[in-house]
Amino acid sequence: AQSVAQPEDQVNVAEGNPLTVKCTYSVSGNPYLFWYVQYPNRGLQFLLKYITGDNLVKGSYGFEAEFNKSQTSFHLKKPSALVSDSALYFCAVRDMTLSGGYNKLIFGAGTRLAVHP
Amino acid sequence: GAGVSQSPRYKVAKRGQDVALRCDPISGHVSLFWYQQALGQGPEFLTYFQNEAQLDKSGLPSDRFFAERPEGSVSTLKIQRTQQEDSAVYLCASSLALGQVISQPQHFGDGTRLSIL
Repeated sequence: AQSVAQPEDQVNVAEGNPLTVKCTYSVSGNPYLFWYVQYPNRGLQFLLKYITGDNLVKGSYGFEAEFNKSQTSFHLKKPSALVSDSALYFCAVRDMTLSGGYNKLIFGAGTRLAVHP
Repeated sequence: GAGVSQSPRYKVAKRGQDVALRCDPISGHVSLFWYQQALGQGPEFLTYFQNEAQLDKSGLPSDRFFAERPEGSVSTLKIQRTQQEDSAVYLCASSLALGQVISQPQHFGDGTRLSIL
């Protein structure tokens, strides 16, 4: 079965420090991976995606993600965290199974990022 | 605005009542998805439309849940005889692409928070 795991419920980081939010996946075939961010009482905002090509993907608001096929990981990173980055982050994989079809997303449970001044 | 619009933002209903949730996708977006997000969880797929055709409803939890998109634009998710376990945030997402173009991200609305008393 295809799945996404976000092993950390919460990540705490000081403003200005680098941040990493972890994601591992399990899919059949090539993965199509996404990161979304959710602010309180808002919907999900697209940050970045990996489809093919370079393993380091750059996205919105200074975020990037590193795809590692051997470790089946797609960790979200930012060199210097801002207090305004505090939010809920979701990793997702496109369901590529025949039964899944039509590109629905399978989400992880989310990781709450808290950036402290 | 140019984003996905959902209404109402908040809905409180008594157990047993019927509710209807509306989604206005981004103009021209062919694909429309509904997700259910329980408290503290990632979104879970409910159903998918390509234009007016409902091509996947495998995620609908029971026959009390019904979705339609009669003219290929606005969609309505209806829940009949609501139960307390239906309490969740219901998210709508739209995408420009047909199902086969897997690289297009889904754009989410802010959701409808449904509370069943």
